[in-house]
Amino acid sequence: SQQGEEDPQALSIQEGENATMNCSYKTSINNLQWYRQNSGRGLVHLILIRSNEREKHSGRLRVTLDTSKKSSSLLITASRAADTASYFCATYNTNAGKSTFGDGTTLTVKP
Amino acid sequence: GAVVSQHPSRVICKSGTSVKIECRSLDFQATTMFWYRQFPKQSLMLMATSNEGSKATYEQGVEKDKFLINHASLTLSTLTVTSAHPEDSSFYICSASGAGGLSDTQYFGPGTRLTVL
Repeated sequence: SQQGEEDPQALSIQEGENATMNCSYKTSINNLQWYRQNSGRGLVHLILIRSNEREKHSGRLRVTLDTSKKSSSLLITASRAADTASYFCATYNTNAGKSTFGDGTTLTVKP
Repeated sequence: GAVVSQHPSRVICKSGTSVKIECRSLDFQATTMFWYRQFPKQSLMLMATSNEGSKATYEQGVEKDKFLINHASLTLSTLTVTSAHPEDSSFYICSASGAGGLSDTQYFGPGTRLTVL
């Protein structure tokens, strides 16, 4: 199975609401990163959280990591229409030397 | 810092032609570069990993003779899609990681959209 599986696959919310996306993985990791991708565009790096960290914040973004459950969540607070995009988690393992992406969550924020 | 560029951003070509895509690390030395392919509404699939001066390591199912990768310097990697066909139409994204503090993450380029007619 693929490392880094996100859920839900699609999420639709109203502007101002919070959006939570989850990511599960199977093998050990050194860090986990969240990316945003607007339709037809490249990836924008959001947050990196290392395996020894449990929570990180960046503006309206909050990421948690639970290595015992091999899962991470991305919370976007007070969402805006401009947050509409696909969000991917990617797990990085130093031994493997590469990141593996999940299937992504498509977020739609309705104005 | 840690900026990666790709060129071209978009290319349209006829079936049977070869297309070269460049990936450059602008402000750091990329010891390792990665090439991903993304089909519409799907995730990124790793195609190959290349270290500077070495042959690329291809993922299972990726034809190395079809997708030629060259990582001749610490700031440049190229992907050549040989004899492109319509099924090769996709979004190709490169990423790079460096040494030291840049070794535990990958920095992504903006992607190249290839359309084969």
